[in-house]
Amino acid sequence: EAGVVQSPRYKIIEKKQPVAFWCNPISGHNTLYWYRQNLGQGPELLIRYENEEAVDDSQLPKDRFSAERLKGVDSTLKIQPAELGDSAVYLCASSGGTDNSPLHFGNGTRLTVT
Amino acid sequence: RKEVEQDPGPFNVPEGATVAFNCTYSNSASQSFFWYRQDCRKEPKLLMSVYSSGNEDGRFTAQLNRASQYISLLIRDSKLSDSATYLCVVTPTGNQFYFGTGTSLTVIP
Repeated sequence: EAGVVQSPRYKIIEKKQPVAFWCNPISGHNTLYWYRQNLGQGPELLIRYENEEAVDDSQLPKDRFSAERLKGVDSTLKIQPAELGDSAVYLCASSGGTDNSPLHFGNGTRLTVT
Repeated sequence: RKEVEQDPGPFNVPEGATVAFNCTYSNSASQSFFWYRQDCRKEPKLLMSVYSSGNEDGRFTAQLNRASQYISLLIRDSKLSDSATYLCVVTPTGNQFYFGTGTSLTVIP
């Protein structure tokens, strides 16, 4: 089966510029996650979707971050405007949503804000 | 208090050694547990699930201790290719996944 697909793999932008990341989960996976991972840390959840509904966005910095999953399949995460501290790897993941179903990650987008 | 606590290491061990990592979790109602492996500049990949009775996959053994709220990963006969960061993951519910900070392992020739 095709895995989680993310794009772009790398992005370098200047601070205050906007940036967007795209993710297509594994087919049939209703639950989609966006995580942010800083160097030397584990992934930290930004937002979780069940189909098209954002059910956990408590850790999403809503003043500059937004996300959507309009048709309950692929998703976009946006940052506007980007800050230096946003430099990190942004990981998308999906799961089957049942007990003991693991997470499957995409390759991630490595964002550098200069 | 963090949901998941993990010793970041680093662990530097010679080839053939046995090494063990522990991870503690705060939510006693947590339902599912996993170990993920993450290579440098790569995404995390599932290494193995952790079952209540303990489980083994080749040189890897995972155990769960619900009373003390920790999970462990044992790697026997370490190989150079085992060098990576190992992340423990705990799910309080089926759709919530909390990660530890990861434990760095380097296997030395």
